[in-house]
Amino acid sequence: KQEVTQIPAALSVPEGENLVLNCSFTDSAIYNLQWFRQDPGKGLTSLLLIQSSQREQTSGRLNASLDKSSGRSTLYIAASQPGDSATYLCAVTGYKLSFGAGTTVTVRA
Amino acid sequence: EPEVTQTPSHQVTQMGQEVILRCVPISNHLYFYWYRQILGQKVEFLVSFYNNEISEKSEIFDDQFSVERPDGSNFTLKIRSTKLEDSAMYFCASSESSANTGELFFGEGSRLTVL
Repeated sequence: KQEVTQIPAALSVPEGENLVLNCSFTDSAIYNLQWFRQDPGKGLTSLLLIQSSQREQTSGRLNASLDKSSGRSTLYIAASQPGDSATYLCAVTGYKLSFGAGTTVTVRA
Repeated sequence: EPEVTQTPSHQVTQMGQEVILRCVPISNHLYFYWYRQILGQKVEFLVSFYNNEISEKSEIFDDQFSVERPDGSNFTLKIRSTKLEDSAMYFCASSESSANTGELFFGEGSRLTVL
């Protein structure tokens, strides 16, 4: 059974600092990995999708890396802003998405 | 930008009542999903649906749950006799290709409160 872990559970940084969010998974036989953002009481917004054959994916200030053999992905958010405050979830696919519990980020102005 | 829409945003019901949650997936998507998130817990897979039938379901998705695509646009989740532990946020998602390869897009969720 796939287990997805995200560390740390919470993170608070001053505005402008770079964010590093970690995701690990136990079964390396994945098809892809997806990072989501969730605001309180809201839905999941897809940020990046990395196919298992890829090592990284970039979108604006976001960069996600994937090391399938070691079961790890890292989401980097450059030059954080207060608007980046949210919970960030990673999810990996076999036949379904298995989610981590998320990292709740607070960016202090 | 195309989006997945869900109704209602919040529903309060009495234990034992039937509930139907509705979703309109992105129009050219072929794969549909329901997930749920109990307050403070991980997002959990319930069911996937393709070509008018269930393709996968989790152990959570027991006989109390059913899904249907009654027309060309709606995708519904029915809970026949709600229990207190069904209280959660229910998310609908859709993808153009299967979850193995495709990017999933989620709706804003329907919050179900069972009293």
